[in-house]
Amino acid sequence: NAGVTQTPKFRILKIGQSMTLQCTQDMNHNYMYWYRQDPGMGLKLIYYSVGAGITDKGEVPNGYNVSRSTTEDFPLRLELAAPSQTSVYFCASTQGQGLYGYTFGSGTRLTVV
Amino acid sequence: AQTVTQSQPEMSVQEAETVTLSCTYDTSESDYYLFWYKQPPSRQMILVIRQEAYKQQNATENRFSVNFQKAAKSFSLKISDSQLGDAAMYFCAFANYGGSQGNLIFGKGTKLSVKP
Repeated sequence: NAGVTQTPKFRILKIGQSMTLQCTQDMNHNYMYWYRQDPGMGLKLIYYSVGAGITDKGEVPNGYNVSRSTTEDFPLRLELAAPSQTSVYFCASTQGQGLYGYTFGSGTRLTVV
Repeated sequence: AQTVTQSQPEMSVQEAETVTLSCTYDTSESDYYLFWYKQPPSRQMILVIRQEAYKQQNATENRFSVNFQKAAKSFSLKISDSQLGDAAMYFCAFANYGGSQGNLIFGKGTKLSVKP
């Protein structure tokens, strides 16, 4: 089915380890986003991209990096995992800045111990 | 900066009855979109309903409807004939029209319980 695919669904990291959360969409959407969701909170924007080769910081970018080499892929990199990065991470995409709606992946639950 | 406020952390409704979830937002923009998303325990974010700010008519999707009051910056969600499957977290969200980021700004959510 067309949509946004996130991997992995669950992951436990040790403090100081690194990992990449993968996000792929097959809808040819230009806009892609990474959000994190902490308990009792709404989603907060980490990074976003308006097209291949273009990325920018959102509200909570510290401790993360992204790249956008293709329209389809938008991976999120955690370099030195910290307990504060324990969260659920969502990738989302849209074509028309809300005109056609946003499509979300199923999320990645990350625990840093 | 735009903000979205959901003042009801939790709500409860009896099956088959109607419930209204509140949402207010703050923006200086005149063109924007508003959304309600449902997040069941599966954690998937599901679009419930969408409203364009330039449209005066309130959006409806089957049992779901909104009361959009642009001057009051209010965007409430009404769920009619509530079903057990409606139990979930509901998030109100805002997106600028034509903004460079185009990202969604979320409220903190309302947890809806449905009693049989």
